[in-house]
Amino acid sequence: QSVMTQPPSLSGTPGQRITISCSGTWSNIGRKFVYWYQQVPGTAPKLLIYKDNLRPSGVSDRFSASKSGTSASLAIRGLRFEDEAEYFCGAWDDSLPGRVFGGGTKLTVL
Amino acid sequence: QVQLQESGPGLVKPSQTLSLNCSVSGDSIHTGPFYWTWIRQSAGKGLEWIGRIDINGNAEYNPSLKSRVTISLDSSWNQFSLKLTSVTAADTAMYYCARDANTALITGFDFWGRGTLVTVSS
Repeated sequence: QSVMTQPPSLSGTPGQRITISCSGTWSNIGRKFVYWYQQVPGTAPKLLIYKDNLRPSGVSDRFSASKSGTSASLAIRGLRFEDEAEYFCGAWDDSLPGRVFGGGTKLTVL
Repeated sequence: QVQLQESGPGLVKPSQTLSLNCSVSGDSIHTGPFYWTWIRQSAGKGLEWIGRIDINGNAEYNPSLKSRVTISLDSSWNQFSLKLTSVTAADTAMYYCARDANTALITGFDFWGRGTLVTVSS
């Protein structure tokens, strides 16, 4: 059972905007930065968002993220077939202490 | 461009020790505010942080694995390693090494290895 909670799956159609939620606690999301990772099947995860809402160089601006209290969310606008992947949220957890992840959300583009 | 590559046995017998290495190229493991990290992912499951080591050799471990894990630096080969003792079938997973950055430019797991599958079975 993961420390942070994500919906197991979501689906969308090309061009649509979708959001993926990540629910945590005050020991992780509430006081620490949130990260988002994209994992295409058969490959290693890739850093998509860091420090709550910043995109690394090369990541499309179709991806954005926000945080409020102990919850965070990742938004993808203009959905494309290539966005079909699993998305994980992550953060440091002071109570562990250590890095923790959400269980992952499998996004299907129909 | 930093590259990481995991290596080690793909099959380990129950109760034995799992040993993996992560070779780093494109940067020295002793430069920058980085943590060199091991993460694993069981089939169909999420990511689990195993632990990390900083450039000075100070290691931190997931409490659930702490009694069985050792992460160390090997400066002569610019690599770091993972040892997990007394393995069981529950340790079967894809093991990734990654760089956990803590710089002004970026933070988080910015570079990952491709992963290596380790199966625990007799």
